[in-house]
Parts: sequence; C-alpha cells; structure tokens
Amino acid sequence: DSGVTQTPKHLITATGQRVTLRCSPRSGDLSVYWYQQSLDQGLQFLIQYYNGEERAKGNILERFSAQQFPDLHSELNLSSLELGDSALYFCASSSLLGTDTQYFGPGTRLTVL
Amino acid sequence: GDSVTQMEGPVTLSEEAFLTINCTYTATGYPSLFWYVQYPGEGLQLLLKATKADDKGSNKGFEATYRKETTSFHLEKGSVQVSDSAVYFCALSDGGGGADGLTFGKGTHLIIQP
Repeated sequence: DSGVTQTPKHLITATGQRVTLRCSPRSGDLSVYWYQQSLDQGLQFLIQYYNGEERAKGNILERFSAQQFPDLHSELNLSSLELGDSALYFCASSSLLGTDTQYFGPGTRLTVL
Repeated sequence: GDSVTQMEGPVTLSEEAFLTINCTYTATGYPSLFWYVQYPGEGLQLLLKATKADDKGSNKGFEATYRKETTSFHLEKGSVQVSDSAVYFCALSDGGGGADGLTFGKGTHLIIQP
C-alpha cells in the first residue's frame, strides 16, 4: 500500500459526459501528478500540482483539467468524453520537487461507452 | 524530447533463470532513472532508482546500473521466481523546464514459468 488513495476504482460513462476523479496523496506529500495508461499510448504524464499550484503540464488534452485543494487532495476533471479516453488514470505523489520518488495510487479505470 | 526505449514482451523465462530487461534513454539533462513494477490489477510500485551516473539501484534481488556512456539502465536479477511475473517499466525524470513528470517506456511483460 503506497498511501495514495484514488476514488472511484471503476467508472463507466457515456460519450459526451463529464467525470471527476479524486486523489488523496500520501500524508505530508505536497506534489501530485496525474498519469493516463492506455493500450495504444502507454503511460503518459498529464499534469503536476505542487502545494495547490499547477507546476507542469504534459500531454493533457484541453478537455481535461485538474486542481489541488488546500487539504492537498486533487481532482482530475474529464469532459466531453470520447471512446478514446477509456484508460487507467493514476495519481502519484511525492514530498519534494525535482527527482524525488513518486508513489502511485491504485488507479481509476474509466470506461467510456 | 525525453524518451525511454525498453524491450517489449512478453518475456518468458523458467524459474531460477537469469533476467535482463534492456532499457535505454534519451534526455536533455541529467535524469534520474527508475524501474517500476505493475502486478496484475494493481498500481505501479517503485522497484529501484538511481540518480546519477554509475549509481547502482537494488531491491528484492533486482539491480540496475546507471550507465551514462551508453545511456542505459538495464534491469537484472540472478534467479527469478514465479512471483516476479509482472509488467516492468523503465522511467526517467530530468526536471527539464520545471516538469517533474516521469517519462515511461512501454513496459515489458515478464512471465515466469515454474
């Protein structure tokens, strides 16, 4: 158990809908990362927050957004969903910036029908 | 941009065999290198890491050495067990442009047969 929690574990929705994925980092970790794992694209970094502020963006679509709240939990919002958005979405956290170790949550499996 | 190339599988070995999973990287800076393991239905777990050239990361019998001259970070284990069956990901982080997100290889599916 990494100490990172994600909810829900599974999510099934329809095209065009909007969903919110939630992540709670390890106790004391200030940095949160979101990743997408799909069969065709592999594991891709989406976005990073540090202590409430956006720090870096990776391959995140404009339809996707995230935020980190004062209690340090984070939410990833996915809107206008398409079939191709079906994937595993992982959250990771680390205590420091730079090349500190990232600890991954169990993931949320999103299925868009 | 940064990239990681690793052998894709599946790689099938017998129990107690020697394991090597190759990983090479391209990065603009001086990255830290990681191996993560993903067991079926679970998230990624850090297996080992190395933060500078010639560092050796090790954990649970697995080892990898950061080779700057060959831009490689190959994963090795002397004697694999059935419980090592999983998907292994090589990754790097170089913090370039302030981004600390990991760049992953496509993963190597390892199957160990009794």
